[in-house]
Amino acid sequence: ETGVTQTPRHLVMGMTNKKSLKCEQHLGHNAMYWYKQSAKKPLELMFVYNFKEQTENNSVPSRFSPECPNSSHLFLHLHTLQPEDSALYLCASSQRDYYEQYFGPGTRLTVT
Amino acid sequence: AQTVTQSQPEMSVQEAETVTLSCTYDTSESDYYLFWYKQPPSRQMILVIRQEAYKQQNATENRFSVNFQKAAKSFSLKISDSQLGDAAMYFCACNSGNTPLVFGKGTRLSVIA
Repeated sequence: ETGVTQTPRHLVMGMTNKKSLKCEQHLGHNAMYWYKQSAKKPLELMFVYNFKEQTENNSVPSRFSPECPNSSHLFLHLHTLQPEDSALYLCASSQRDYYEQYFGPGTRLTVT
Repeated sequence: AQTVTQSQPEMSVQEAETVTLSCTYDTSESDYYLFWYKQPPSRQMILVIRQEAYKQQNATENRFSVNFQKAAKSFSLKISDSQLGDAAMYFCACNSGNTPLVFGKGTRLSVIA
């Protein structure tokens, strides 16, 4: 596999479920990001990890919990989500934080 | 804080013609980077072209080129010989070495056969 991969590509979950999104990058990068993309809104940066350390948390509700066990993997744990959390969640990576970013294909999340 | 403005929500172009997408930005940083990303219906964000602010020469990538006007804080994307596969949302973005990537709201480009 090359580039940035994300699984699952589609996810439907109820408000009481717990699920996780996974991102893996095969580019040898040191920084990884989670973004939220809702209809008719700009991309919203959620979290930034640089060398496995979280360097940015854009006032994201605690029902979203990121985890970065190493520079190649990034998870987003989801718990007690709301319908307004339905969106496309994009993962990205870059050689170092805030350099040019390469994106995964996204996970389309629907909260029912 | 940085801001990026794309004033054209939608554009269309005839196949094989040229189209220019506009972007203006504002930043207090002296050293920064500008990008154009393409998001086709598959939703994968693809980096199209990159420009370092310290470089005066406009970046080009095959049929894609930019017109970087630093004093005017303008960074437009020109697509030459437009193809059906160019139809997508195009996002302009800006960052510096210590600030997050800030995206514009996007321009939806349609290509007419």
